[in-house]
Amino acid sequence: NAGVTQTPKFQVLKTGQSMTLQCAQDMNHEYMSWYRQDPGMGLRLIHYSVGAGITDQGEVPNGYNVSRSTTEDFPLRLLSAAPSQTSVYFCASSYSDTQYFGPGTRLTVL
Amino acid sequence: GQQVMQIPQYQHVQEGEDFTTYCNSSTTLSNIQWYKQRPGGHPVFLIQLVKSGEVKKQKRLTFQFGEAKKNSSLHITATQTTDVGTYFCAGPRTGNQFYFGTGTSLTVIP
Repeated sequence: NAGVTQTPKFQVLKTGQSMTLQCAQDMNHEYMSWYRQDPGMGLRLIHYSVGAGITDQGEVPNGYNVSRSTTEDFPLRLLSAAPSQTSVYFCASSYSDTQYFGPGTRLTVL
Repeated sequence: GQQVMQIPQYQHVQEGEDFTTYCNSSTTLSNIQWYKQRPGGHPVFLIQLVKSGEVKKQKRLTFQFGEAKKNSSLHITATQTTDVGTYFCAGPRTGNQFYFGTGTSLTVIP
């Protein structure tokens, strides 16, 4: 099993550009989520999904969209990148109360 | 909503010294999870505690769940440089969201 995979590993964007961070899991987990991690801020929940076709907002959803068309994939879209979105983004999937994290995407917005 | 507080935020220890991080919840938890994140890495699940007063050990790591199931601790005996990283606690999924502590960043000085 590959577990949770994320692409790309690194990305640099200019203000106003859009992009999609990819996330996939092969563990057949229903629950998936996206977090951002900033220095001293811990893990903050952006969006989550409890199954294909169902998504909801977390603590910091503004500027991000998600969709969940399959159990395996949960992409995160930045609509119009801003410097405040410079961060490390982690995707996670969950079985019961244990979460499995992907390796992360390090995003810089100039 | 659920709040999970973690202290200290940072800890520097000499190699060989002990280390403890504490996690406190505003509500009673059905279980608690601990994760470790190495510098530049992603959070990795360490252990789950479920029972009141439970104590679990993993080599030099000792995890405790409080009698009231509102607090937990992680103790590392005789730290090594491989213990460097940030340690997070997290409660169970509540309202479809996970609540993480803010993390304790451990630096081990050789």
